[in-house]
Amino acid sequence: DAGVTQSPTHLIKTRGQQVTLRCSPKSGHDTVSWYQQALGQGPQFIFQYYEEEERQRGNFPDRFSGHQFPNYSSELNVNALLLGDSALYLCASSLGRRNTEAFFGQGTRLTVV
Amino acid sequence: DAKTTQPTSMDCAEGRAANLPCNHSTISGNEYVYWYRQIHSQGPQYIIHGLKNNETNEMASLIITEDRKSSTLILPHATLRDTAVYYCIVRVAMTTDSWGKFQFGAGTQVVVTP
Repeated sequence: DAGVTQSPTHLIKTRGQQVTLRCSPKSGHDTVSWYQQALGQGPQFIFQYYEEEERQRGNFPDRFSGHQFPNYSSELNVNALLLGDSALYLCASSLGRRNTEAFFGQGTRLTVV
Repeated sequence: DAKTTQPTSMDCAEGRAANLPCNHSTISGNEYVYWYRQIHSQGPQYIIHGLKNNETNEMASLIITEDRKSSTLILPHATLRDTAVYYCIVRVAMTTDSWGKFQFGAGTQVVVTP
């Protein structure tokens, strides 16, 4: 059983560009959340998707947007990249409204130059 | 969401039990305590979670005080591979009105030494 898979693993972008990160949830999971982790800090919640709708959102600007597809996979889009967007982006999947664990992927390391 | 307080760092000898404390004095009745760990540059790994009863699985034990204001994660026999940042997280229960996001703090850097 493949766990949560994210692509690409590493990415270098130029300031002002746009980027799309992808996530496939663990088999059987239908809820996907995205987190941003700056170097030396804990992950910060960006948003969460369930049934193809954004269900809750953290304190991130509108430059961060997402999408969930019918097969439960998800994309994170960031527009107008800033140097401060350089971070490890983590995807986590879980099962609906259950008080169970979420499984995290290995992340995408985004570097903005 | 309630916030947690953890020591910045801890050392532990290989083969000994590691006891990681977490304070969550403002926890509400509908909030769970979760523990995750993160080995350098990898995604966080789930360890254990509980509401008010003590919990045990193959990785660790979670001891929650009766007033639920603090908890302790116990790694019974620490190995070098347990060196990681350990996060204690209080998460609102998933209900029809809540989606229970995880709010990570800075965590505890645990170093297991030979």
